Amino acid sequence: EVQLVESGGGLVLPGGSLRLSCAASGFTFSTYEMNWVRRAPGKGLEWVSYISSSGSTIYYADSVKGRFTISRDNAKNSLYLQINSLRAEDTAVYYCARGFDISGSGSPWGDYWGQGTLVTVSS
Amino acid sequence: EIVMTQSPATLSVSPGERATLSCRASQSVSSNLAWYQHKPGQAPRLLIYGASTRATGIPARFSGSGSGTEFTLTVSSLQSEDFAVYYCQQYNNWPPLTFGGGTKVEIK
Repeated sequence: EVQLVESGGGLVLPGGSLRLSCAASGFTFSTYEMNWVRRAPGKGLEWVSYISSSGSTIYYADSVKGRFTISRDNAKNSLYLQINSLRAEDTAVYYCARGFDISGSGSPWGDYWGQGTLVTVSS
Repeated sequence: EIVMTQSPATLSVSPGERATLSCRASQSVSSNLAWYQHKPGQAPRLLIYGASTRATGIPARFSGSGSGTEFTLTVSSLQSEDFAVYYCQQYNNWPPLTFGGGTKVEIK
């Protein structure tokens, strides 16, 4: 069974930092592109960041560029998001979402998501 | 950036009735369009990808149509478990991947 389990969220002061983790199981993590998506209170889903299966290609939303860093450890089947210089508008539930499979299985983008981890930025 | 616009923002429907949700892209996304269902405290659930292909395990009452810039998600007969927020998402031209603002389907 495919599982994605996020952790690392919490209450943090403006300007603070957190490291989010996503533990993957039940599939060949190293062949899948991965993403972080967030949902702020009262708002819709917002794509945050992408990382290729090897980690060689990375993209960010403009709203987080320069403050967030995505990474992965294929040996540990884990995805990470280092979030720095946090702002109130970063308050959201952060989800990891599975992207495309480079091995060609044809599984669609977004077929599995984690339950999310809540990040609250407040003084 | 491709902007995705969903309408209506809220849809009030009685159980058993048909629900039709719309999604418009600011430029063509071909058929690279997905629909998700999202309930509070749960992971978003992929319903439709490729504009019209049901994801694994999705009931046949959910159907998607459209291509280019205009898309529709139809729920033929709403069940109690279908009341949720629905999002469309384009993956044709990215980054950034973009979602619509969502349509909340509520009980009438």
